[in-house]
Amino acid sequence: DAGVIQSPRHEVTEMGQEVTLRCKPISGHNSLFWYRQTMMRGLELLIYFNNNVPIDDSGMPEDRFSAKMPNASFSTLKIQPSEPRDSAVYFCASSPLTLADSYEQYFGPGTRLTVT
Amino acid sequence: AQTVTQSQPEMSVQEAETVTLSCTYDTSENNYYLFWYKQPPSRQMILVIRQEAYKQQNATENRFSVNFQKAAKSFSLKISDSQLGDTAMYFCAFMKPYGSEKLVFGKGTKLTVNP
Repeated sequence: DAGVIQSPRHEVTEMGQEVTLRCKPISGHNSLFWYRQTMMRGLELLIYFNNNVPIDDSGMPEDRFSAKMPNASFSTLKIQPSEPRDSAVYFCASSPLTLADSYEQYFGPGTRLTVT
Repeated sequence: AQTVTQSQPEMSVQEAETVTLSCTYDTSENNYYLFWYKQPPSRQMILVIRQEAYKQQNATENRFSVNFQKAAKSFSLKISDSQLGDTAMYFCAFMKPYGSEKLVFGKGTKLTVNP
């Protein structure tokens, strides 16, 4: 399996622009997570989908952030408009969320976003 | 809400020696999972080891083992025979199943293995 795939790996954009991050989870995994990593706040969950349905979006910072999962093999995280404080590494992770797998989450390589 | 604390921002160890990274957590749950993730300079998050709270036996994975003290809410990671490739950030994480299965991470410990 190719693992969790994220694109782009790096994104540089200007303040006010729309940014779309993409994720393809591991085939067969029914849960998908978006995390953000910054020096100040560390790793924090933004949103979690189970069977394509958002379950917990309490970590989404504000209305500028939105996430979708139109099918089991694709998810997007959109920031519109982007601000410099959104600069971070954004990770996507997927999981089968089964007891047999001890709920392991498999992370993608991350997208480093820089907003100037 | 659950919290995870890693009190050692940075640590260093000589190659082939043993090092222990500390982690404590706060929860009122009885059933949960604990994880250690490694993040090398490549940025990729890699699962090192996991522990189910209902298991009293400490988990081991080759050179990596944990000391899980449920009553004390402590979950330390021991790395034996440290190798240069172990140099990375190490994150302790907590997860409560059957609800929001999100990982709650500590701030991390930067480990450097010196030759």
